[in-house]
Amino acid sequence: ETGVTQSPTHLIKTRGQQVTLRCSSQSGHNTVSWYQQALGQGPQFIFQYYREEENGRGNFPPRFSGLQFPNYSSELNVNALELDDSALYLCASSPGLAGAITDTQYFGPGTRLTVL
Amino acid sequence: GESVGLHLPTLSVQEGDNSIINCAYSNSASDYFIWYKQESGKGPQFIIDIRSNMDKRQGQRVTVLLNKTVKHLSLQIAATQPGDSAVYFCAENGVRGGSEKLVFGKGTKLTVNP
Repeated sequence: ETGVTQSPTHLIKTRGQQVTLRCSSQSGHNTVSWYQQALGQGPQFIFQYYREEENGRGNFPPRFSGLQFPNYSSELNVNALELDDSALYLCASSPGLAGAITDTQYFGPGTRLTVL
Repeated sequence: GESVGLHLPTLSVQEGDNSIINCAYSNSASDYFIWYKQESGKGPQFIIDIRSNMDKRQGQRVTVLLNKTVKHLSLQIAATQPGDSAVYFCAENGVRGGSEKLVFGKGTKLTVNP
């Protein structure tokens, strides 16, 4: 177990709705990254937060946004859901400095989002 | 598209055999590589990493080989066990949004037959 938890496990939404996914990092981990993993694909980087501020973003539109809280929890919000947003959403926490690529990332089990 | 890819989407081996999973990357500027294992219903789990100043690194039953000349990475698993059945991803450091972030390949599904 990585000590990283995510909720909910599964979620079904309809197109146009909004969704909030939650992640609880390991205590002491100041960096959290979010990834989208489509079926049969590798994870795609969405963005990273370090000490409650966004620290780098992948090729995702602004309707993907996030928050990180002082208690090592974080959220991924997606507005105006589209069918292609159906995927497994993973969060990963790491203990070190933001952007330290060599810092081991500990992944949660993910939230499976289905958009109908 | 992403710069990291896999030669084979699936690999089936017999228990006890050695497994080799391959990965090609296209970004010659990448200098850090990681292998992850993802079991069904779980997030990726770190296996082993290697920096570009090395061409081989060994862990417990696993070895990663890096050939920078042909931009090729491989993961060797010795004495493969049923518990090794999973999808294996290679990842490299890439630049996204001005920051250095992990870029994952598509993955290889390893099936170990008893």
